[in-house]
Amino acid sequence: AQTVTQSQPEMSVQEAETVTLSCTYDTSESNYYLFWYKQPPSRQMILVIRQEAYKQQNATENRFSVNFQKAAKSFSLKISDSQLGDTAMYFCAFMKLSWERWQNFVFGPGTRLSVLP
Amino acid sequence: NAGVTQTPKFQVLKTGQSMTLQCAQDMNHNSMYWYRQDPGMGLRLIYYSASEGTTDKGEVPNGYNVSRLNKREFSLRLESAAPSQTSVYFCASSERDGRTQYFGPGTRLTVL
Repeated sequence: AQTVTQSQPEMSVQEAETVTLSCTYDTSESNYYLFWYKQPPSRQMILVIRQEAYKQQNATENRFSVNFQKAAKSFSLKISDSQLGDTAMYFCAFMKLSWERWQNFVFGPGTRLSVLP
Repeated sequence: NAGVTQTPKFQVLKTGQSMTLQCAQDMNHNSMYWYRQDPGMGLRLIYYSASEGTTDKGEVPNGYNVSRLNKREFSLRLESAAPSQTSVYFCASSERDGRTQYFGPGTRLTVL
């Protein structure tokens, strides 16, 4: 079974600075996707970024980028130029690619990020 | 285009009562999901529906039933609510490959 670990329950960062959130996962699969989801106080789950395991290039979306280390099974999220609106819970998630209808989407426990003015 | 909608947003039940959480999506997605979110545990999959007429158990299905009424709607039913089912419930939908899930706003359920 796949597991996703986020070792930092809470983090804080000053506005305009850079912060990195950690995620590690355990799987024997070779084909899978990794995700970072953001959950602001509104409770809405929002996809931040997605990485395909077969791609060596790290995904980027504006101020958000990942450091994907497949051998180490590590998938960290870097937020540059942090903004107050980045304050949220961040969830790392894993999805294996499978011929089965059930794609085994697994979420980590989350990291609560506070951006301080 | 409303995306994924859920009703109700909040609900309080007494132990033993039953209720149905409703979910609908207008993105023509094949796959739909029900998750529960508990503090410190992230989201856990309750049930999953790959397409209209099919449902599969996820990680934590006990105490729940689901119905994929049509392509748009996927409901979650608690037949006899228990305090352990106090949680926030999220519905989501995706294309068949599941690469991107779109979530509803969630339902906060309290069982007394």
